[in-house]
Amino acid sequence: DAMVIQNPRYQVTQFGKPVTLSCSQTLNHNVMYWYQQKSSQAPKLLFHYYDKDFNNEADTPDNFQSRRPNTSFCFLDIRSPGLGDAAMYLCATSREGWGLESGELFFGEGSRLTVL
Amino acid sequence: AQTVTQSQPEMSVQEAETVTLSCTYDTSESDYYLFWYKQPPSRQMILVIRQEAYKQQNATENRFSVNFQKAAKSFSLKISDSQLGDAAMYFCAYRSAISNDMRFGAGTRLTVKP
Repeated sequence: DAMVIQNPRYQVTQFGKPVTLSCSQTLNHNVMYWYQQKSSQAPKLLFHYYDKDFNNEADTPDNFQSRRPNTSFCFLDIRSPGLGDAAMYLCATSREGWGLESGELFFGEGSRLTVL
Repeated sequence: AQTVTQSQPEMSVQEAETVTLSCTYDTSESDYYLFWYKQPPSRQMILVIRQEAYKQQNATENRFSVNFQKAAKSFSLKISDSQLGDAAMYFCAYRSAISNDMRFGAGTRLTVKP
C-alpha cells in the first residue's frame, strides 16, 4: 500500500549529538512537510518542500535542517539536540493540484526523539 | 497569519451518543480548506473529514459531519453514534488554497465511555 514511512520510530540521542530522521513516501506527492509535536500539543510546522523548493518557517531554529534528495525521500537533521527538542517528529505529504486529495496531508507514524 | 482555536481541551461522550467538537479560525483569505484529523494514542494522524471553503454544503462522512459557518469562521465536528474507537485527539486544521502549510489547533482529547 502507498504510504508515508518514517525511520526510526524511536530515537534516543545525547545532548548535542546530531541526529537524522528520515521519511519516505510511495504516494509520489510533490510536497513534503516536517512537523514537531510535543506532548498533547498541536503539530508545529518546521518546514516543507514543494518539489525541490525549500520553505522554512520563520521561527524554526537554525538547529533544524532538512534535505530532500529526490521526490520520495526527505530528511530532518537536528545538528545539536537540546532537551527542548525532545518531541514527536511527523512527516507528511500532499499532492498539489485539483482533485479529491488536494489539500489533504498524509502523515507517517512519527519518530519520537528522546534527548538525554 | 492564520490561527486555529479549539476551545475544548477535553470532551467526553457516552458510547452511542452524539458529541460536537468546536473549532474557530481566523483568516483574511476567501479560499481555503478545513480539516478534522484524528490522532489515536501512539498512532498516526488520519483524516476524518475535509471541507472546501467555496462549498456551502456541509461535508459528511458516515457518522462524522461538520457545521461550517464561513461568515462566523466556525467549523465544528459532530460525531454521531460514538464508538469506543473514536477515542483520540482531534485536531482542527486550516490550509490556505494558495500556500502549502497547514495550521493546526491545539486539539481536543475525546474520551468515549462505555
